[in-house]
Amino acid sequence: AQSVSQHNHHVILSEAASLELGCNYSYGGTVNLFWYVQYPGQHLQLLLKYFSGDPLVKGIKGFEAEFIKSKFSFNLRKPSVQWSDTAEYFCAVRGATNKLIFGTGTLLAVQP
Amino acid sequence: DTEVTQTPKHLVMGMTNKKSLKCEQHMGHRAMYWYKQKAKKPPELMFVYSYEKLSINESVPSRFSPECPNSSLLNLHLHALQPEDSALYLCASSQEERRGETQYFGPGTRLLVL
Repeated sequence: AQSVSQHNHHVILSEAASLELGCNYSYGGTVNLFWYVQYPGQHLQLLLKYFSGDPLVKGIKGFEAEFIKSKFSFNLRKPSVQWSDTAEYFCAVRGATNKLIFGTGTLLAVQP
Repeated sequence: DTEVTQTPKHLVMGMTNKKSLKCEQHMGHRAMYWYKQKAKKPPELMFVYSYEKLSINESVPSRFSPECPNSSLLNLHLHALQPEDSALYLCASSQEERRGETQYFGPGTRLLVL
């Protein structure tokens, strides 16, 4: 069965710090990978996705993620976070079943 | 327009009530989804409709009854719910029910069952 794990449940950073959020999935076949963000009081929004091709994917607001097939990972990165990046971040995977499976989420708090 | 709208935003109901949640999109998407999100948990898939037909039912109890009257609308009928059904109910849509398609989420309906 497909599953997604996000190792960091809570992350606290100062502005301008670099960010890396871990995401690992378990599924041996072809997958599509997503990062969604949920800002306080707002709905889930897509940050970026990997479907095929270049494993380094660039998304909105300066975020990027790298798909490493050998490690079953799709970590999210941003070189310099801002206070407005405070949100909950969800990694999600879609495999053979076509179901979108979400990770447990990472709460990011950026201190000004 | 990349918006999925949901009504109501909040709903409080008793265990004997019957209520409905509504979801609407005008992006021409042919796949629509219901998710349930408990506090501090990720969204969990409940139902998928593809071309107005039920495609996936994740073994959801029959007290939740989905309906897709047309390609733009998705309803979730609620009856005889339990307090543990209190959660945020999210609707989403995508162009098709295919891998790689981005799902666009609505703001959700926050449901409290007393």
